[in-house]
Amino acid sequence: DAKTTQPTSMDCAEGRAANLPCNHSTISGNEYVYWYRQIHSQGPQYIIHGLKNNETNEMASLIITEDRKSSTLILPHATLRDTAVYYCIVRSGGGADGLTFGKGTHLIIQP
Amino acid sequence: DTGVSQDPRHKITKRGQNVTFRCDPISEHNRLYWYRQTLGQGPEFLTYFQNEAQLEKSRLLSDRFSAERPKGSFSTLEIQRTEQGDSAMYLCASSLYLNTEAFFGQGTRLTVV
Repeated sequence: DAKTTQPTSMDCAEGRAANLPCNHSTISGNEYVYWYRQIHSQGPQYIIHGLKNNETNEMASLIITEDRKSSTLILPHATLRDTAVYYCIVRSGGGADGLTFGKGTHLIIQP
Repeated sequence: DTGVSQDPRHKITKRGQNVTFRCDPISEHNRLYWYRQTLGQGPEFLTYFQNEAQLEKSRLLSDRFSAERPKGSFSTLEIQRTEQGDSAMYLCASSLYLNTEAFFGQGTRLTVV
């Protein structure tokens, strides 16, 4: 699976959009971009995934650049409960075998 | 559905003792995964099952670790002769075959003293 690079930490004001970047310059054609988050003392939670096109669900939007070398997870109206570590993962196929989580981005939502 | 359930939530054991953790996946999920997470790090993959078959084991899964899923439902992870380096959060997840979303439990926190 391709390697990803994320900032260690980010702050965002409550109510504003939180934009979390991820670089995956070695991504191959059959690899998806997945995002999970982990709230303190809980297990990771799936957020969204995509291949080429931008994706949106009830939690977030995923914007993937045309060359697929980077992506941005957008939480449109961040709340205090969105404070968590966010992991960008690149892999082929579904499931959760062999996911490489890395250290992720610690997003802190400020009141 | 109550989600993925892990038991116990916390376990303190003395070095050298054996411990066993249990994971109950979401019913009808045929894939079950075990991960380990140490402080400040992301989760690391240990092993996974499809139904009762253990299909992959990470090199992190030393011979002191054994996982089973005897009837393709719940799973157990046993650590024999625990060491202080085994102190970590042990996470279980489940998913439907070919489904993209994996659901994680809240984990079992192991402290070896």
